Amino acid sequence: ILNVEQSPQSLHVQEGDSTNFTCSFPSSNFYALHWYRWETAKSPEALFVMTLNGDEKKKGRISATLNTKEGYSYLYIKGSQPEDSATYLCASLNAGNNRKLIWGLGTSLAVNP
Amino acid sequence: DGGITQSPKYLFRKEGQNVTLSCEQNLNHDAMYWYRQDPGQGLRLIYYSQIVNDFQKGDIAEGYSVSREKKESFPLTVTSAQKNPTAFYLCASSTGLAEAQSSYNEQFFGPGTRLTVL
Repeated sequence: ILNVEQSPQSLHVQEGDSTNFTCSFPSSNFYALHWYRWETAKSPEALFVMTLNGDEKKKGRISATLNTKEGYSYLYIKGSQPEDSATYLCASLNAGNNRKLIWGLGTSLAVNP
Repeated sequence: DGGITQSPKYLFRKEGQNVTLSCEQNLNHDAMYWYRQDPGQGLRLIYYSQIVNDFQKGDIAEGYSVSREKKESFPLTVTSAQKNPTAFYLCASSTGLAEAQSSYNEQFFGPGTRLTVL
């Protein structure tokens, strides 16, 4: 059974705090790890697609790292702002799964002004 | 503007009625997907289509049907056989198999349809 797990389930931080959360995924037959941001009343949007062990990607104040050997990825937000409030989803693409993404339950982030 | 549209945003139906949710994309993507989201659960795949006139069952296909007669369109019918149809439904698309290696199946989502069965 292929599972993707995210922690914590939810997080409340103050504006200006830096924060991070975790995605663990099956490391066998790994192809890619996706991070999406899903704001309330909007569509999920891709943040990063990561494929190589040790990859680090950055978009503004948000960055992510990837460890394919142990099967985890961290998402970091530096200096959180209220507009960062959203659910952050990760999804794993593994060989032999007919190109279907396996989705985690998400981490719900609330940034208080 | 390229994107994915879903209609309607909210849908109410009586129990026992079939209902069809619309999904249209103008991204020229070959692959399209239907997901369902329930409170406390992740996105669960209902059906997906990698190419026109072909589709496969996802993890929770029972009580649903789809068609893919055109590249741009992937309607989902929620039938009366679906035991618990009230949910939020998301449609997505991605580039096709030929380009999949570079996109790693990055998906683009519509705004969703919230279906309530009374």
